[in-house]
Amino acid sequence: DIQMTQSPSSLSASVGDRVTITCQASQDISNYLNWYQQKPGKAPKLLIYDASNLETGVPSRFSGSGSGTDFTFTISSLQPEDIATYYCQQYDNLPRVFGPGTKVDIK
Amino acid sequence: EVQLVESGGGLVQPGGSLRLSCAASGFTFSDHYMDWVRQAPGKGLEWVGRTRNKANSYTTEYAASVKGRFTISRDDSKNSLYLQMNSLKTEDTAVYYCARAHNGGRFDYWGQGTLVTVSS
Repeated sequence: DIQMTQSPSSLSASVGDRVTITCQASQDISNYLNWYQQKPGKAPKLLIYDASNLETGVPSRFSGSGSGTDFTFTISSLQPEDIATYYCQQYDNLPRVFGPGTKVDIK
Repeated sequence: EVQLVESGGGLVQPGGSLRLSCAASGFTFSDHYMDWVRQAPGKGLEWVGRTRNKANSYTTEYAASVKGRFTISRDDSKNSLYLQMNSLKTEDTAVYYCARAHNGGRFDYWGQGTLVTVSS
């Protein structure tokens, strides 16, 4: 199975800061990588698909990049409503595997 | 508006069984692969399995942790997805989400989740 790692596991940042999360796959997954946001008590929400495509309705401060094994997720200007845990997920093959998550809060 | 609504969660003893349902609306259910994803309390997301669509013979796939104990099925006439869970273990305790797999890849819609607690 493909293994997914994320770093950091948690971070604190100020409103307006640029926030970057990295995700690494244990083997080449091309651009078959999605990013989700999960707020406490809520279902995950798709933000980015195919590594860099913004899901419809998602604010443009969210972006993704990368291919192969190394991927980056960025919030260009952190907002209070962005407090959540963020997960990457590969869909190169089965089983689908999620990263362990990165918890983002406000400093 | 796409909606996925899970039901059927609850408290069950180890070794017991439970059947979850997911009612879909707002899209052509029969066209889509559908998956189950779970989340143990305070933990991350774990893929459970999927059922493909009719065009792909409704074939199913499972995570190793549930294979042989869980069965995914669907009834396109009722726009419904099911998860039959047998031989439940304490480690199956989780919120179970159904999710639509767009083109088999990204999970673009999720239900609100239903909590399954396996405990004596």
